[in-house]
Amino acid sequence: DAGITQSPRHKVTETGTPVTLRCHQTENHRYMYWYRQDPGHGLRLIHYSYGVKDTDKGEVSDGYSVSRSKTEDFLLTLESATSSQTSVYFCAISELGGETQYFGPGTRLLVL
Amino acid sequence: DQQVKQNSPSLSVQEGRISILNCDYTNSMFDYFLWYKKYPAEGPTFLISISSIKDKNEDGRFTVFLNKSAKHLSLHIVPSQPGDSAVYFCAAYSVQGAQKLVFGQGTRLTINP
Repeated sequence: DAGITQSPRHKVTETGTPVTLRCHQTENHRYMYWYRQDPGHGLRLIHYSYGVKDTDKGEVSDGYSVSRSKTEDFLLTLESATSSQTSVYFCAISELGGETQYFGPGTRLLVL
Repeated sequence: DQQVKQNSPSLSVQEGRISILNCDYTNSMFDYFLWYKKYPAEGPTFLISISSIKDKNEDGRFTVFLNKSAKHLSLHIVPSQPGDSAVYFCAAYSVQGAQKLVFGQGTRLTINP
């Protein structure tokens, strides 16, 4: 299994509070991704990174920001959480980009 | 605009029979197609892929078929086993596009004893 961890694994927060989710990899892969999974929508890309300090938006990036200061860590921040951001968040990594990605175990976020 | 679609949210199959999961796409620029499998409370795991230059790829009990003219792919599982019960996502990737996968909505497969 690819070495990917996500923290926290579960979080309950209140509307309007900032939240940061962390993805950590030990594979030294160049590409890292953040997805959210919601019923009826499958996996939707939020942001991705193609190198340290190099990031780009996905299809559902509004309300989210990311940072990657080290190869191994990719942070997802909800600046002011809303109930619509209640979801399961997955981090993924890829050595060459696209094609085969390896996913972390997910973070279940509930925004009250 | 949903570029990759899985129109069946769920599928129920008897153990030992064939499971067929379907996926349609709209972007003719996709070069690779992948299937991922997801168990509850776990991340998706890669299952099998196919290049757009092929029409079939087989790996054990799993076979993926690609029909480019119809922009359709399918995953066949033969014979189906209880451990195959999971959510299956198809995904597509364009080499010339950004380095990212586009996923379908997923199909929940249930294998009945």
